[in-house]
Amino acid sequence: DADVTQTPRNRITKTGKRIMLECSQTKGHDRMYWYRQDPGLGLRLIYYSFDVKDINKGEISDGYSVSRQAQAKFSLSLESAIPNQTALYFCATSPASTDTQYFGPGTRLTVL
Amino acid sequence: GQQLNQSPQSMFIQEGEDVSMNCTSSSIFNTWLWYKQDPGEGPVLLIALYKAGELTSNGRLTAQFGITRKDSFLNISASIPSDVGIYFCAGLGITDKLIFGTGTRLQVFP
Repeated sequence: DADVTQTPRNRITKTGKRIMLECSQTKGHDRMYWYRQDPGLGLRLIYYSFDVKDINKGEISDGYSVSRQAQAKFSLSLESAIPNQTALYFCATSPASTDTQYFGPGTRLTVL
Repeated sequence: GQQLNQSPQSMFIQEGEDVSMNCTSSSIFNTWLWYKQDPGEGPVLLIALYKAGELTSNGRLTAQFGITRKDSFLNISASIPSDVGIYFCAGLGITDKLIFGTGTRLQVFP
């Protein structure tokens, strides 16, 4: 079984809809992250959490919110999706002892 | 904010050739990581570097943490078709957040 899973893997939605992307991990890591990937722009950090009670904004948090329901779960929400949020979204985890991050398989989101 | 320049943007090489790519930063990093991303998948960690001057290998891959702490290099020797993908560098600096390069797309022709 994969250590970091993301659901759904693909989603097509319409402008204005609320969308939730979910991430679960079995690695036992305290730290979890959400990134967005666009062609030619690499990975950009949306939000991150160092433990269950800790939520921090990343580079591009506008239009997104997150929830850390448990050590193993970190959800990303788009309250009102817009077309320029069409992208690949990745969840990642890392142990507190190192900064090495491990990525999930990604969610491809298309907003029409 | 901290910026990472990764080059080249893309490479088209023949199987068996060696590959070199690098990342440079305008400021100091304390950790350098190299990832590979296959189509439709998330980035997979290849090599982690934690100390200036460190040289680390993983099979045919070798990466170095630059002495100035502002750059890192990845070399792939004797490339094979499964080396195809996008390679990302990532650095961790004073902000405690990873900064990613824009990636090097590698194509290997038989």
